[in-house]
Parts: sequence; C-alpha cells; structure tokens
Amino acid sequence: ETAVFQTPNYHVTQVGNEVSFNCKQTLGHDTMYWYKQDSKKLLKIMFSYNNKQLIVNETVPRRFSPQSSDKAHLNLRIKSVEPEDSAVYLCASRLQYNYAEQFFGPGTRLTVL
Amino acid sequence: GDSVTQTEGLVTLTEGLPVMLNCTYQTAYSTFLFWYVQHLNEAPKLLLKSSTDNKRTEHQGFHATLHKSSSSFHLQKSSAQLSDSALYYCALNNNRIFFGDGTQLVVKP
Repeated sequence: ETAVFQTPNYHVTQVGNEVSFNCKQTLGHDTMYWYKQDSKKLLKIMFSYNNKQLIVNETVPRRFSPQSSDKAHLNLRIKSVEPEDSAVYLCASRLQYNYAEQFFGPGTRLTVL
Repeated sequence: GDSVTQTEGLVTLTEGLPVMLNCTYQTAYSTFLFWYVQHLNEAPKLLLKSSTDNKRTEHQGFHATLHKSSSSFHLQKSSAQLSDSALYYCALNNNRIFFGDGTQLVVKP
C-alpha cells in the first residue's frame, strides 16, 4: 500500500515532557512536511524538507525539531511540550514541482495536560 | 507577500441548494491553486486543482475556475449533499505552499 503513515495516532503527555512523532511515506516523493492543525482547524506549516533543504517556518518555537533519516521519513520531536502544543500534527508529502498535490497522513493528536 | 484568503469560516446550507466557497489569493509568482477537503476525523485530500486561467476544472460534482484577473478560485457545486459536510481548504503553490484558514461546510437536511 502506498500512502503516508503516522504513528502514534494519539499521545497524551504532561507539560515539560519530550515527545516524538513518526512519519513515513511510500509514495516515492522527495518532499515532506509537518503541519499543525489547531483547535480552530487552522493549518499551519511548520517544516518542509527534501533531501537538499530544510525550510523552517520562523514562527515555530525552537523546542520543535524535524528529524529525517532519508527522503521517506520525517519525524518530529518536541523537546519540552507546553499546553499550547495540544493539536493534531499532520505529515504530508509530495513531489517537488508546483503542480503536485500533497498527500496527507491521518495525523497524530497530541494532548498536553 | 503571498497569501490565500477564505472569507467564510462557516457556511451552513440546506441539502439541494448550490454551494459556493470563496477563495482569493495574492502572489507575484506562478499560480497553482488547489482545493483540499477534510472530512471529520480524516486527513485532508485533494479535491481539485488548476493553473490555467479561465478554464473550469471539475471533480466529484465540484468545480472551480481560476480567474487570474480577479485572483480568485471559488469552489462551487450545483446541489449540496449531506456528505459534502466537511472542512475545505484553498491552497496556493509557488515555491512555497500557502493555505487559507479553511471553510467549514455544514449541509442540513
């Protein structure tokens, strides 16, 4: 099956803990993304990454960091979570040309207590 | 800078009535516009896309026409169905990707 896979589906943690989310795509794409979808359903791009370049949204707090082992994997680490980090984190991938659509994973719902 | 504007946060209408969700954009670069749909507890997925001025594109009963003169890419459907209830995002691709804030469409019986 070719798709974008994310683990875990849900994660509940306490303020100050470190969390990591995994994303894998089997579509042969060369570019991957992390988005944050907040309670108002706003979709905010956090990072985009291909095997050449990492682009960081300058509004993303430094406790967030992407980690990639190859072009099929892009993980997200949050060093010390805060309550405002509660959201759904969506991973997406695409081919790096302007008319290419993005394919989204099912998301990881993070709840910070 | 580049941006996408969706003026309606929530659209509520009765089944069978026409749907129109607004999308305008701002860019100085190449124009590639997309509509994504996200049903409840699902991932966003592509509904339709266009880069050709004044050409209607259609998919699953929805259609949109890119009008570069007015920087618009409104999503339309002639008759809403209950299953159309979802969140709709308009997006612009150039070297970066810009999403609108989304429009929640609620279709009632």
